[in-house]
Amino acid sequence: EAGVTQSPTHLIKTRGQQATLRCSPISGHTSVYWYQQALGLGLQFLLWYDEGEERNRGNFPPRFSGRQFPNYSSELNVNALELEDSALYLCASSLGGGGTDTQYFGPGTRLTVL
Amino acid sequence: AQSVTQPDIHITVSEGASLELRCNYSYGATPYLFWYVQSPGQGLQLLLKYFSGDTLVQGIKGFEAEFKRSQSSFNLRKPSVHWSDAAEYFCAVVPRFNKFYFGSGTKLNVKP
Repeated sequence: EAGVTQSPTHLIKTRGQQATLRCSPISGHTSVYWYQQALGLGLQFLLWYDEGEERNRGNFPPRFSGRQFPNYSSELNVNALELEDSALYLCASSLGGGGTDTQYFGPGTRLTVL
Repeated sequence: AQSVTQPDIHITVSEGASLELRCNYSYGATPYLFWYVQSPGQGLQLLLKYFSGDTLVQGIKGFEAEFKRSQSSFNLRKPSVHWSDAAEYFCAVVPRFNKFYFGSGTKLNVKP
């Protein structure tokens, strides 16, 4: 069974540009989570989607947004990129939401903002 | 403020020695508790989780963790560390039906 996949593996952008990151969950999983892992800051919760709806979001500005498609894949968009957005962005999926289901993580997308 | 604390940024142990990684949280009620491991260049893998019941939980790769309500702690332990355990370990806390919080991680080095 395929795990969580993310694309691209690496993404290089300049300040002010927009970045789009993609995530495909494990087959049968309806929940998708996005995290930012910046150097020295651990994982910061960004967004949680379940059944196509945004269920919760972390303490990030509105320029971080996303969506979940009918096939449960998800997209994270970061507008007006800033240097401090450089980080590893991890996607995870679970069977359902609410915190009790195990989250399975993808390998991440490394975003570098120049 | 709600938080998850992993007080040890780096830990070095000798192969075969015992290991304990600390995790403390500050939430009103007992949250869901998790430990994840991130090996170099790989995604996070769940080691174990606690929702309720027996406060000592067993996980994969020989790890266990004990929930202590009085101390708001969920420390990870392993009786004998292997060189392949070198990785970064994250404690995660999920307040019931709320957001997800990860600690800042503890990097484990294993000396031969």
